[in-house]
Amino acid sequence: AQSVAQPEDQVNVAEGNPLTVKCTYSVSGNPYLFWYVQYPNRGLQFLLKYITGDNLVKGSYGFEAEFNKSQTSFHLKKPSALVSDSALYFCAVSSYNTDKLIFGTGTRLQVFP
Amino acid sequence: NAGVTQTPKFRVLKTGQSMTLLCAQDMNHEYMYWYRQDPGMGLRLIHYSVGEGTTAKGEVPDGYNVSRLKKQNFLLGLESAAPSQTSVYFCASRGGASPLHFGNGTRLTVT
Repeated sequence: AQSVAQPEDQVNVAEGNPLTVKCTYSVSGNPYLFWYVQYPNRGLQFLLKYITGDNLVKGSYGFEAEFNKSQTSFHLKKPSALVSDSALYFCAVSSYNTDKLIFGTGTRLQVFP
Repeated sequence: NAGVTQTPKFRVLKTGQSMTLLCAQDMNHEYMYWYRQDPGMGLRLIHYSVGEGTTAKGEVPDGYNVSRLKKQNFLLGLESAAPSQTSVYFCASRGGASPLHFGNGTRLTVT
């Protein structure tokens, strides 16, 4: 069965500092991994994905994520946080043999000026 | 370019009432999904469809039914609403290996 864990309910970071939002996953077969962001009263917006290839994936708004197969992790990173990055972030996993996309419980990122 | 449109945006039901949530997409996507979002629970998959005329159960299907009579529409029905179904419901669609495109959600309160 597929599952995703986001161990931190909230991450606080000062503007200009690097940020990391953690995600670990469990899936049979090779994983397809995604990060989405949700702003208040809106649906989720796609940030980036890993299907195959380079372990470091670059996405929208300066975000990137690193796929680590041995640690079954896909942490979201950004070198320099902005106040406007404050939002709810979701990690999600699928695989080649399923049509379902399973989400984690979300991590609220708060960037302080 | 409307993308994924959900109607209604808000609804209040009394326990035992029924309703249908409509999701429409104009991107010719094969796959459509219904999720519910609850505090501390993230998004949980209710039902999904891999094409017109097909439906499948997700993680939390009990108390819900769905239909996909037309490719562009995916309906979510509650036959007898319960307070436990108070939630924000999101529809999403995708084509092939593309990422999910989400609607803006329907906030449902069951009293």
